[in-house]
Amino acid sequence: KAGVTQTPRYLIKTRGQQVTLSCSPISGHRSVSWYQQTPGQGLQFLFEYFSETQRNKGNFPGRFSGRQFSNSRSEMNVSTLELGDSALYLCASSLPTGHTDTQYFGPGTRLTVL
Amino acid sequence: DAKTTQPPSMDCAEGRAANLPCNHSTISGNEYVYWYRQIHSQGPQYIIHGLKNNETNEMASLIITEDRKSSTLILPHATLRDTAVYYCIVRFTSGTYKYIFGTGTRLKVLA
Repeated sequence: KAGVTQTPRYLIKTRGQQVTLSCSPISGHRSVSWYQQTPGQGLQFLFEYFSETQRNKGNFPGRFSGRQFSNSRSEMNVSTLELGDSALYLCASSLPTGHTDTQYFGPGTRLTVL
Repeated sequence: DAKTTQPPSMDCAEGRAANLPCNHSTISGNEYVYWYRQIHSQGPQYIIHGLKNNETNEMASLIITEDRKSSTLILPHATLRDTAVYYCIVRFTSGTYKYIFGTGTRLKVLA
């Protein structure tokens, strides 16, 4: 079974621009979560989507948004990019079927803001 | 979600067992302990998880103390490819899939 895929893998943008990142979960998985990883802050939870609804949100400004489609694919958008948004953005998916569900992570999208 | 505490770094000789500790003293009864590792800024890789019993799979063993306040991940025969940052996470058994990552342990396997 194919793993979580993220596109693009690398992205370079300039301050003020916006960016959209895409995540395709493992087939059959319905929950998709997004994380930001930076050297200073480590891995931080952005938001989680389940059945096209945002179920939880981390402590990030409103410039960060996301959505999930009926096929469970998800996108996240960052508007008005700042230098501090340079990070590895990770997507993770899970079924879920019960209380021991596990999240599986994609390879990430490396965003550089100049 | 309960917070976890891990040593920032550890070294292990190749072929020896690597024992990575994790303290989660505020864990509640319905929270599982999960372990992931991250190699060279790739996506975190799932290793193992458990509630209160010891668990073993093809990658590792997880030992959870009886009071569940701490656990140890054991890589029985560490190889150079096991060099990575290892994260211990606790989360509720149901509901949202929000993981709170700590700083992890940077394991270096030495030849």
